[in-house]
Amino acid sequence: QSALTQPASVSGSRGQSITISCTGTSSDVGNTNFVSWYQHHPGNAPKLLIYEGIKRPSGVSNRFSAFKSGNTASLTISGLQAEDEADYYCCSYVRSSIWVFGAGTKVTVL
Amino acid sequence: EMQLVESGGGSVQPGRSLRLTCAASGFMFDDYAMHWVRQAPGKGLEWVSVISWNSDAIGYAESVKGRFTISRDNAKKSVYLEMKNVRPEDTALYYCAKEGMGDLDYWGQGTLVTVSS
Repeated sequence: QSALTQPASVSGSRGQSITISCTGTSSDVGNTNFVSWYQHHPGNAPKLLIYEGIKRPSGVSNRFSAFKSGNTASLTISGLQAEDEADYYCCSYVRSSIWVFGAGTKVTVL
Repeated sequence: EMQLVESGGGSVQPGRSLRLTCAASGFMFDDYAMHWVRQAPGKGLEWVSVISWNSDAIGYAESVKGRFTISRDNAKKSVYLEMKNVRPEDTALYYCAKEGMGDLDYWGQGTLVTVSS
């Protein structure tokens, strides 16, 4: 199972919005509602940002939103803040107890 | 408070074995599937393995299939990863994570495994 495709890096100025894409196939992203997004600050445990493609857990800022269409999922960060500088990963359920992560995107706040 | 604490990491020679443990507390452990995810130095997150709440459903990444074995003991609220015939490319920080609604909603801090001669 190949890693889902994400841009290696995305940058934006404080206050701007950025979008991170996550492209899979009809066997993973395109075939499940179980697509999730994680924020990872190096040295810390990854944090769940989005589950079931578009839902935000309690306590996660509403500046994080997500969308899924076909084989591609997207995460948008609005009103970019310094603390948003981190690595972001998408993850998809594939089949029969198999999961796959995206390659990861490094977000830089200019 | 929900807690996942990984242990068992360390330095190991190629071809040897190592057993990782994840001790859970603060939630109904036997209601949830549990995962192992790893991050090699300078690399991204890689899903490794999952075990269902009752151990009936188990899955592995191709990169570890046949060498790693996941198991759990609900009475001890622990999940394990038995790593056999380890390779240098298994060097990574290994995270234990709880499955929520088709996601990994809580993660431990990880345990570091270094495979080197």
